[in-house]
Amino acid sequence: GAVVSQHPSWVICKSGTSVKIECRSLDFQATTMFWYRQFPKQSLMLMATSNEGSKATYEQGVEKDKFLINHASLTLSTLTVTSAHPEDSSFYICSARDPRLGTALYGYTFGSGTRLTVV
Amino acid sequence: SQKIEQNSEALNIQEGKTATLTCNYTNYSPAYLQWYRQDPGRGPVFLLLIRENEKEKRKERLKVTFDTTLKQSLFHITASQPADSATYLCALEETALIFGKGTTLSVSS
Repeated sequence: GAVVSQHPSWVICKSGTSVKIECRSLDFQATTMFWYRQFPKQSLMLMATSNEGSKATYEQGVEKDKFLINHASLTLSTLTVTSAHPEDSSFYICSARDPRLGTALYGYTFGSGTRLTVV
Repeated sequence: SQKIEQNSEALNIQEGKTATLTCNYTNYSPAYLQWYRQDPGRGPVFLLLIRENEKEKRKERLKVTFDTTLKQSLFHITASQPADSATYLCALEETALIFGKGTTLSVSS
């Protein structure tokens, strides 16, 4: 089945530094990938839609200069949290849909998530 | 804007019983509704998708219903097991998936 690999699974960084999170579709090509953020006991909140070869689309309230998204190939999207602050500490999750699977039958595949802690 | 509500934050049941989770939505007319399972510290895993013209869908011990008039979906797990303990998320699709807050199910033996 469709597999999305996300790395790292956890990262601790100092305030003011940048952190890059990678999301790879292992057995399919994804022209579009999605980035979510989840705070404890909260739902997944869509941050942005990553489009291969073009700019990402950000949801309202998400700072595009802070959360840099690059989708340079059909199997890789990266999210860079720049100048991280403690309030950016959260669980970041990417997802994609295998275009080979029928949209009326199958849902999305998610990465295993990245726990970011900013100290 | 659309809103998705899963009105039980937590549900505790005994092993062998049927768990029923509810998802309500407003300001939206989805073509599909999806259910996912999320374990602590993990990404969601797709379980079932039901289309607007389907009343019910089953997969092993799982059953989903979809009532577009009530704007509601029910998710059932029959013969529940402790391994079913997890958070279950209801999701609707626009340009991307939008999730409810989830219901955390605990099945005790």
